[in-house]
Amino acid sequence: EVQLVESGGDLVQPGGSLRLSCAASGFTLRNYWMSWVRQAPGRGLEWVANIKQDGSATYHADSVRGRFTISRDNANNSLFLQMNSLRVEDTALYFCARSFSGFFDAWGQGALVTVSS
Amino acid sequence: EIVLTQSPDTLSLSPGERATLSCRASQSVNTFLAWYQQKPGQAPRLLIYDASKRAAGIPARFSGGGSGTEFTLTISSLEPEDFAVYYCQQRSNWPQTFGQGTKLEIK
Repeated sequence: EVQLVESGGDLVQPGGSLRLSCAASGFTLRNYWMSWVRQAPGRGLEWVANIKQDGSATYHADSVRGRFTISRDNANNSLFLQMNSLRVEDTALYFCARSFSGFFDAWGQGALVTVSS
Repeated sequence: EIVLTQSPDTLSLSPGERATLSCRASQSVNTFLAWYQQKPGQAPRLLIYDASKRAAGIPARFSGGGSGTEFTLTISSLEPEDFAVYYCQQRSNWPQTFGQGTKLEIK
């Protein structure tokens, strides 16, 4: 069974940093592009970042570029999102998602990030 | 950035009825469009990709159609578990974008 389990969500002050992790199981991580997608409270879905199978290419949304960095460790079946210079508007549930031809065919349950003073 | 506009925002129907949800793109996305279902407190679930292909394990009552800028998701006969929020998503142009969602509620 494909499973994605996020961790690392927390309450953080504006300007602070946080690192999210996603543990993958039930499939071979190194064969897939992987992504982060977020959802602000009561709002819709926003793609945040994605990373190629071997980590050689990464893409970030304009809203997070320069502040967030996606990375992966295929040997340990893990995906990461390093978030720096956090803003109130980054408050959201962050989903780890497996990419399938540019769509998202498996999702974790999400990690809640709250940015507030 | 391609903007996806879903309509209606809310659709009120009864179990057994047919539901038709729409997604309009600000420019052509060919057939590079997907539909997701999200229930409260849950992650989204992929229903349809490439506009009309059902994802693994998705019941046949869900079907997708359209190309270019106009797309539809049809649920032929609503089951109680189908009442949820539905999102469309395009992957034709970077960045991938989602529609704002349609809430399908019980009438």
